[in-house]
Amino acid sequence: SVLSQPASVSGSPGQSITISCNGTGSDIGFFNLVSWYRQDPGKAPKVIIYDVLKRPSGISSRFSGSKSGNSASLTISGLQAEDEADYYCCSYAGGSTWVFGGGTTLTVL
Amino acid sequence: EVQLAESGGGLVQPGRSLRLACAGSGFSFEDHAMHWVRQAPGKGLEWVSGISWNSGATGYTDSVKGRFTISRDNANNSLFLQMDGLRPEDTAFYYCVKDVKMWLVGEGRFDIWGRGTLVTVSS
Repeated sequence: SVLSQPASVSGSPGQSITISCNGTGSDIGFFNLVSWYRQDPGKAPKVIIYDVLKRPSGISSRFSGSKSGNSASLTISGLQAEDEADYYCCSYAGGSTWVFGGGTTLTVL
Repeated sequence: EVQLAESGGGLVQPGRSLRLACAGSGFSFEDHAMHWVRQAPGKGLEWVSGISWNSGATGYTDSVKGRFTISRDNANNSLFLQMDGLRPEDTAFYYCVKDVKMWLVGEGRFDIWGRGTLVTVSS
């Protein structure tokens, strides 16, 4: 199954936006193993959040992750034009399997 | 430099087979779980399969179970995906992906991605 994300979100520079990722009790709800990826056009995805809320080195603190129940969220604060990209959530789903969300296109107005 | 390079993609008829390969370099290949992630043109990411560092654990998304087989050769820093019974819906770019952990139950931190190889299933 695919995790559910909004197809698109938008915000103005300086604002904060949140992208939701809805799963089930078998994936997000059961494991604290949620990650988020950013993908620019024509490029490979890049991890920006892992273990629900941890940031790899080099990722801005403007990016934060959280989880509640069967849902996870990615918040980007102080929105910048260069944040425009596609964002995907990902969760461990048990049985040595992982599942991605459908992806969200972020537009900075 | 840490790199992953996929090969083996191409045009294939429905029902036929294809074997993808991925060559890793610049890191200790045997110390990491590896994955295949695909992306149909203009669509989202789909995790396809993963394998632990020692091949002791493998996983597949439901739509490819029984048709695809993942394997690795640590001596030659290589990852493979044998794809049998291909269907038009398998058409996608297939990315070879490195996990930061050794096992499939990790942090979900897929830190290195290849450039992808395009598989097109069509008659």
